[in-house]
Amino acid sequence: KQEVTQIPAALSVPEGENLVLNCSFTDSAIYNLQWFRQDPGKGLTSLLLIQSSQREQTSGRLNASLDKSSGRSTLYIAASQPGDSATYLCAATYNTDKLIFGTGTRLQVFP
Amino acid sequence: EPEVTQTPSHQVTQMGQEVILRCVPISNHLYFYWYRQILGQKVEFLVSFYNNEISEKSEIFDDQFSVERPDGSNFTLKIRSTKLEDSAMYFCASNWDRGRQYFGPGTRLTVT
Repeated sequence: KQEVTQIPAALSVPEGENLVLNCSFTDSAIYNLQWFRQDPGKGLTSLLLIQSSQREQTSGRLNASLDKSSGRSTLYIAASQPGDSATYLCAATYNTDKLIFGTGTRLQVFP
Repeated sequence: EPEVTQTPSHQVTQMGQEVILRCVPISNHLYFYWYRQILGQKVEFLVSFYNNEISEKSEIFDDQFSVERPDGSNFTLKIRSTKLEDSAMYFCASNWDRGRQYFGPGTRLTVT
């Protein structure tokens, strides 16, 4: 069964810290992996998408990597800010468009 | 920047009633999706839609659910006879190339 998990479930860090969020998937035949941000009671904002042929993608202070052989993706956030506080979700697609989501990591960045 | 929009933002209905959730995908997008998120749980795929047909549906998407693209802009999800367990946040998404999916803000459905 294709499953996606995220560890840790919650993370609290002081402002300015660099941090890494982890995403694991059970089936390495991944088509692409997408990272989202979700604010409380709100929709999902797409942050980065990594195709299976790529190793990483960068957008501003965010860098996402993909290692299919180990079944892992990481989201690196540099110089975290209180405005980064949100839940971060990863989601994988395989041979269809269906996104398979992880449970998310709830991030709090305190001043 | 173009956005996916959804209406209403919150819908309260009684068990057994029909509800229609509406979405306006980004205008040049070709692929459309519905997902739901029960409070405290993962976001779950419901259905994908392309070229006026369902491409894929999950086990959740039973005969009580239907989708329609009634015109060139709207994409709707209908639940014929709501149950308490249908209470969730429903998200519409779209894309043009089966790559990055763009999500709307969601409709919170509360079934009482």
